[in-house]
Amino acid sequence: DAGVIQSPRHEVTEMGQEVTLRCKPISGHDYLFWYRQTMMRGLELLIYFNNNVPIDDSGMPEDRFSAKMPNASFSTLKIQPSEPRDSAVYFCASSFFVPSGLDEQFFGPGTRLTVL
Amino acid sequence: GQNIDQPTEMTATEGAIVQINCTYQTSGFNGLFWYQQHAGEAPTFLSYNVLDGLEEKGRFSSFLSRSKGYSYLLLKELQMKDSASYLCAVRRYNNNDMRFGAGTRLTVKP
Repeated sequence: DAGVIQSPRHEVTEMGQEVTLRCKPISGHDYLFWYRQTMMRGLELLIYFNNNVPIDDSGMPEDRFSAKMPNASFSTLKIQPSEPRDSAVYFCASSFFVPSGLDEQFFGPGTRLTVL
Repeated sequence: GQNIDQPTEMTATEGAIVQINCTYQTSGFNGLFWYQQHAGEAPTFLSYNVLDGLEEKGRFSSFLSRSKGYSYLLLKELQMKDSASYLCAVRRYNNNDMRFGAGTRLTVKP
């Protein structure tokens, strides 16, 4: 398996523009997570899905952020309109449920977003 | 709410042993994870504790005390490649709600 795939790897955009980040989880995994990482705030959970259904979106900063998972192999995180404070590395991770509890998350390489 | 605390930075010498502590306060505790993250890369899984005690995996060990809300990651026979950030993460409830600490940046010196 190729692991979690994210695109683009780098994105530079101007304030006010729409940004769409994409993620393909590991095949067979039924959980998908979106995280944001900055020096100031560390790694923050934004939203996660189970079997394509959003379970908890309490970490989504505000209405400018939205996430979808139309099928088991694809998810998007959209920011509209983008602002400079959204600049961060956005990680997607996936896992599958393990009864013993050791459901480690596998992270994608991340998308480094810069909003000018 | 919840709180996960770990030291910001640590320095150790190659070949030595280092212990990275993590304290947490959370409702619905359901497991503690340690991840390693090299600069510019994604986090990768290191260890998992859900019951009290020590879990050993090669040069790395992790300890948990649920009553104290405390965990540590022990790294033995340090190597230069162990220079990285180490993230403590707490899973809550009977699902995959995972919250990460800010991370401890470890520098291994010759």
